[in-house]
Amino acid sequence: GESVGLHLPTLSVQEGDNSIINCAYSNSASDYFIWYKQESGKGPQFIIDIRSNMDKRQGQRVTVLLNKTVKHLSLQIAATQPGDSAVYFCAEDLIQGAQKLVFGQGTRLTINP
Amino acid sequence: DAGVTQSPTHLIKTRGQQVTLRCSPKSGHDTVSWYQQALGQGPQFIFQYYEEEERQRGNFPDRFSGHQFPNYSSELNVNALLLGDSALYLCASSFQGRTGELFFGEGSRLTVL
Repeated sequence: GESVGLHLPTLSVQEGDNSIINCAYSNSASDYFIWYKQESGKGPQFIIDIRSNMDKRQGQRVTVLLNKTVKHLSLQIAATQPGDSAVYFCAEDLIQGAQKLVFGQGTRLTINP
Repeated sequence: DAGVTQSPTHLIKTRGQQVTLRCSPKSGHDTVSWYQQALGQGPQFIFQYYEEEERQRGNFPDRFSGHQFPNYSSELNVNALLLGDSALYLCASSFQGRTGELFFGEGSRLTVL
């Protein structure tokens, strides 16, 4: 069945370095992908999204890359800050507009001072 | 502008009991979705309500039911609680059909003993 998975459950980086969080998806028909950030005790917070007709999208300090050939998604965070410490989820909307998201397990990002 | 609000924030129930969780969507949003997030996992889609009707449903048993009111607020009901129902229940609101960001509430933490 459809699933969204993550390569690494944890990631530690030095403050100021760039972070890359990876995600694999299995449904080649998926049309829309979102990255969420979830801090302890809070609900997921939207970071950035990308449609399947794009391969790259940039936001403020974040970039999402989509490789449909290998069904891989990544989130790049530039110059990581202590406030970036959280669990990051990729999510997949299997039907455009449906908002029936399939989430991956998540990657915990820890920023070392 | 208030975001998505959920109540209660925490509650404890025993097996076999019933629980009702409540959600008020972000102002202007007309669609409410519910997700279950087990500890250490990504959220799982339960169902979505729009125009007071259940529009989509995930792979959850009939013990999980919901309702949407004319003011767009929503309730999630779970009957015959099982230990495995212990989780964070997240409400997300949006505009129908707009595969943009969902706004999540901070969740209701349910513990079943």
